[in-house]
Amino acid sequence: AQKVTQAQTEISVVEKEDVTLDCVYETRDTTYYLFWYKQPPSGELVFLIRRNSFDEQNEISGRYSWNFQKSTSSFNFTITASQVVDSAVYFCALSEAERDDKIIFGKGTRLHILP
Amino acid sequence: GAVVSQHPSRVICKSGTSVKIECRSLDFQATTMFWYRQFPKQSLMLMATSNEGSKATYEQGVEKDKFLINHASLTLSTLTVTSAHPEDSSFYICSATRQGGQKTQYFGPGTRLLVL
Repeated sequence: AQKVTQAQTEISVVEKEDVTLDCVYETRDTTYYLFWYKQPPSGELVFLIRRNSFDEQNEISGRYSWNFQKSTSSFNFTITASQVVDSAVYFCALSEAERDDKIIFGKGTRLHILP
Repeated sequence: GAVVSQHPSRVICKSGTSVKIECRSLDFQATTMFWYRQFPKQSLMLMATSNEGSKATYEQGVEKDKFLINHASLTLSTLTVTSAHPEDSSFYICSATRQGGQKTQYFGPGTRLLVL
């Protein structure tokens, strides 16, 4: 069965600190996709990244970076030099190739960046 | 860009009435549109998947007669909550994937439904 676990329900850090959001997934498929979405207080989901299971390279985009480790079934997300505008709920998600239109979301991590 | 809009953004209705929510892809044609439901401080749960011109596919446990989905064109899908009750109060979010593109889902801003 497919499952996404975000163990951190809520995190608070002071502005400019680095913060890592953890994501662990379960799937029986060898081909799958992993996602991160940001949901600010307005409610709209913002797509951050999509990674397929064959691409284990870490990715950096500005202050955001992602660490994909198949050996531990993890896809962690790090924000460097956090800013108040980063405050949001972040969802990690998974879809399997067999049914790649269905995204299974984790429960989300609520991130508070304190000024 | 890939912009998805929803209308209305917020709706309050009386118990027993029906509410229609629209989801539009503004700058692309959407192969498939999805409807999700999100309870406060909870994750998103997929309700149904709809393709233009065909019947929607509902997830297990979602009543298709309760949540009517119509996907009339490549840019518009509607969700109608029929005979709404207070337990239907929730945040409803749609998403869409581009025709011919990767299957990345682009999400709308959501519709907050409150049934009194």
